[in-house]
Amino acid sequence: KAGVTQTPRYLIKTRGQQVTLSCSPISGHRSVSWYQQTPGQGLQFLFEYFSETQRNKGNFPGRFSGRQFSNSRSEMNVSTLELGDSALYLCASSLLGSPGELFFGEGSRLTVL
Amino acid sequence: GENVEQHPSTLSVQEGDSAVIKCTYSDSASNYFPWYKQELGKGPQLIIDIRSNVGEKKDQRIAVTLNKTAKHFSLHITETQPEDSAVYFCAARLNFGNEKLTFGTGTRLTIIP
Repeated sequence: KAGVTQTPRYLIKTRGQQVTLSCSPISGHRSVSWYQQTPGQGLQFLFEYFSETQRNKGNFPGRFSGRQFSNSRSEMNVSTLELGDSALYLCASSLLGSPGELFFGEGSRLTVL
Repeated sequence: GENVEQHPSTLSVQEGDSAVIKCTYSDSASNYFPWYKQELGKGPQLIIDIRSNVGEKKDQRIAVTLNKTAKHFSLHITETQPEDSAVYFCAARLNFGNEKLTFGTGTRLTIIP
């Protein structure tokens, strides 16, 4: 069974640009969550989607947004990039109704210059 | 909101010895406590979890204990091996079905051959 797939794995952007990251969950999983990982702040929750609806949102500015499609695939977008947005962005999927395990992808590493 | 503290931040143990990592949480309504292992260049991988109605859970060389009264939980790894070297994260979740995890800051475990 394929795991969570994130694309692209690495990308470099400059300040002011915008970026879109993609996540394909494990087949059958309907919940997708996004986390930002940085050395200083650790793993921080961005948002969670279930059945194309955002159910939870973390404490990030409105520049961070996301969506989920009918096939459960999800994208997150960061607009007007800042240097501090450089991080590993992790997507996790889960099968609601199960014990609640989150399965993480390998992440998209964003560098903002 | 929930706050999770994790200690120590780094831990070095001789191969074959035991390692213990401790976490405390702030919200008594948290009811699910997973532990994740993150190897270099990879996403976090769930290694064991425990729910608030259980005091201890074991899986081969790994065990987790939970003290709800004191609001702390610990990861125990026995007979450590070189492949146990990684960063370990504890986490807490408030409500079953709410997929938001609050993570600890991580422990870098190094097994000395």
